[in-house]
Amino acid sequence: DAKTTQPPSMDCAEGRAANLPCNHSTISGNEYVYWYRQIHSQGPQYIIHGLKNNETNEMASLIITEDRKSSTLILPHATLRDTAVYYCIVRVADTASKLTFGTGTRLQVTL
Amino acid sequence: GAVVSQHPSRVICKSGTSVKIECRSLDFQATTMFWYRQFPKQSLMLMATSNEGSKATYEQGVEKDKFLINHASLTLSTLTVTSAHPEDSSFYICSARASAQGNNSPLHFGNGTRLTVT
Repeated sequence: DAKTTQPPSMDCAEGRAANLPCNHSTISGNEYVYWYRQIHSQGPQYIIHGLKNNETNEMASLIITEDRKSSTLILPHATLRDTAVYYCIVRVADTASKLTFGTGTRLQVTL
Repeated sequence: GAVVSQHPSRVICKSGTSVKIECRSLDFQATTMFWYRQFPKQSLMLMATSNEGSKATYEQGVEKDKFLINHASLTLSTLTVTSAHPEDSSFYICSARASAQGNNSPLHFGNGTRLTVT
């Protein structure tokens, strides 16, 4: 699976949009971009995924560049409960395909 | 939907004993489950892939005789840490994907088991 690069940490004021970037310049055509987050001492939580089109759900929006070499996860109105480590992962859509976690971005939402 | 339940959430055991951790998919079937381990302030590391009805596939450096995996049904996988030692103390997390939802469907994770070996 392609490697990803994320900033180690980011801060965001509560109520503002949090924009978390991810570089995946070696992504191949059949690899999806997945975003997960892990709140302290819990299992990872799935947020969103996409192949090439932008995606939106009740949690977040995913913007993927046209060349697919980078993406941005957007939390439109961050709250204190969004403080977590956010992981951007790319993987082939295959039943047995693993999710390989990098170091992620630690997002701190502040008052 | 797509809930993964892990039990126990915490366990403390003495060195030399064995500990079994259960991972259940509550509302879906999973032919494949994954076991991860996470040490403090580190990311999740994949230990093994659990396959229903066949042997698990272990990642490089993970001892298969120490970390026994059994995937006896489409909704249950177990990880047994045998002859546990203090260095096995960690956060163990399982995950599963609904077999019927297609190959790009997301993995769903349990809430983890914190193992402390004294």
